[in-house]
Amino acid sequence: AQRVTQPEKLLSVFKGAPVELKCNYSYSGSPELFWYVQYSRQRLQLLLRHISRESIKGFTADLNKGETSFHLKKPFAQEEDSAMYYCALLPGGGADGLTFGKGTHLIIQP
Amino acid sequence: EAGVAQSPRYKIIEKRQSVAFWCNPISGHATLYWYQQILGQGPKLLIQFQNNGVVDDSQLPKDRFSAERLKGVDSTLKIQPAKLEDSAVYLCASSFGGNTIYFGEGSWLTVV
Repeated sequence: AQRVTQPEKLLSVFKGAPVELKCNYSYSGSPELFWYVQYSRQRLQLLLRHISRESIKGFTADLNKGETSFHLKKPFAQEEDSAMYYCALLPGGGADGLTFGKGTHLIIQP
Repeated sequence: EAGVAQSPRYKIIEKRQSVAFWCNPISGHATLYWYQQILGQGPKLLIQFQNNGVVDDSQLPKDRFSAERLKGVDSTLKIQPAKLEDSAVYLCASSFGGNTIYFGEGSWLTVV
């Protein structure tokens, strides 16, 4: 069975500092990896997915199959980035639902 | 485009009572999911439908939880009887091709 691990429950950084939210996964096949974000009092929403190789709101994430990691990075944090971030894995073929990590609460201090 | 709709948003019940949650997915989305999110944890998949058929319900506690999607559109999730540990947010989600999954705002359940 697949598993997603987010080692940090809470990450606090100052505005303008770089941010890295860690995500490691275990899965025997070729998964798709996602980052979802949940701002205060809002629904869970997709931030980015590895196959798109895009930057959203300044965030990027690279899939490292050797290290089975999909860390989320942003060079300069902004206060509006404060939120819960969840890393999620979709098994190859997409037949099953997402498996989520426990989430990291990112707090950007002014 | 309208998002995934869920109701009720909040529900407080006593243990051993029953509760039902309703979900209306995004129009045209064949796949519908119910997730349970306990405070401090990530969402956990309870059941996945493809149209009106069940694809995966391996993590659904079938002694007390049931879900249906009779006409392949709306879905209901029922808990009977509820236990204290069922207190959680119940998230409905839907997708068209299975890759990008869209979530509703969730139904918050407190069992006292």
